[in-house]
Amino acid sequence: DTAVSQTPKYLVTQMGNDKSIKCEQNLGHDTMYWYKQDSKKFLKIMFSYNNKELIINETVPNRFSPKSPDKAHLNLHINSLELGDSAVYFCASTQMGHHQETQYFGPGTRLLVL
Amino acid sequence: AQSVTQLDSQVPVFEEAPVELRCNYSSSVSVYLFWYVQYPNQGLQLLLKYLSGSTLVKGINGFEAEFNKSQTSFHLRKPSVHISDTAEYFCAVGRSGGSYIPTFGRGTSLIVHP
Repeated sequence: DTAVSQTPKYLVTQMGNDKSIKCEQNLGHDTMYWYKQDSKKFLKIMFSYNNKELIINETVPNRFSPKSPDKAHLNLHINSLELGDSAVYFCASTQMGHHQETQYFGPGTRLLVL
Repeated sequence: AQSVTQLDSQVPVFEEAPVELRCNYSSSVSVYLFWYVQYPNQGLQLLLKYLSGSTLVKGINGFEAEFNKSQTSFHLRKPSVHISDTAEYFCAVGRSGGSYIPTFGRGTSLIVHP
C-alpha cells in the first residue's frame, strides 16, 4: 500500500545513455513533482505537474523531460546522461487546495553516471 | 518570492539532551510552514506543519515547532532526543493557491551521540 513509489531504486549507467525513472502515486493526488538531491542533500525542484499545467525550473537542462501518461504517474526521462546528473531523484505528490499541500515523497532513485 | 534559511548545517547533540533546529523564512504573502525529516537512504516525510491557528504545532516523534510571525521563524524543538532521531531535517515554506511549489531550506543534519 505504498503511497508514492519509484522504480528503479538504483540506476547505474554510462555517460551518453538515455534512461527513464518511473513514479506512481496511489493517493489520488492531482499534482506531482520531481526533485534532484545532490551530494550535499540540497533539494532542487525540477518539475511540477498537474492536469492543468507543467511548470519547469528554468535551470533544468532540456535533456530532462517529464512524461505523464495519467494522473497517477509522472515519469522522468533523461537523454544523453552526464556525470553531473549523478544524484538522488525524488518524486513527490500533493493534493492542491483544502489547505493541505503536504507533499508525499517516494523513496528516491539513486542515479550514478559513469 | 519566498526563501528559507536553515541557520545550522549540522547539529551534534548527546542522547536525551534537548535540541532546537532553526529556520527563518521570508515571504511577501501568508505562508504555510513545514518540517520534513529524511532518515538515511529514505525519502522525506512530514514531521509537522503550520497552516493557521495556534502558533505552537506538535508533530510526530515528540517534535514541536513554534511559528513566530514577527521574527519570521519556525524553529523545531524536541526536549529529549534519541539516537533514532539522527537524520536530515528540512524546513519548507509554501503558499496556497496557484501552482504550489514549496521552497526548501538546505537542510540540517542532526547527529545524536550516545
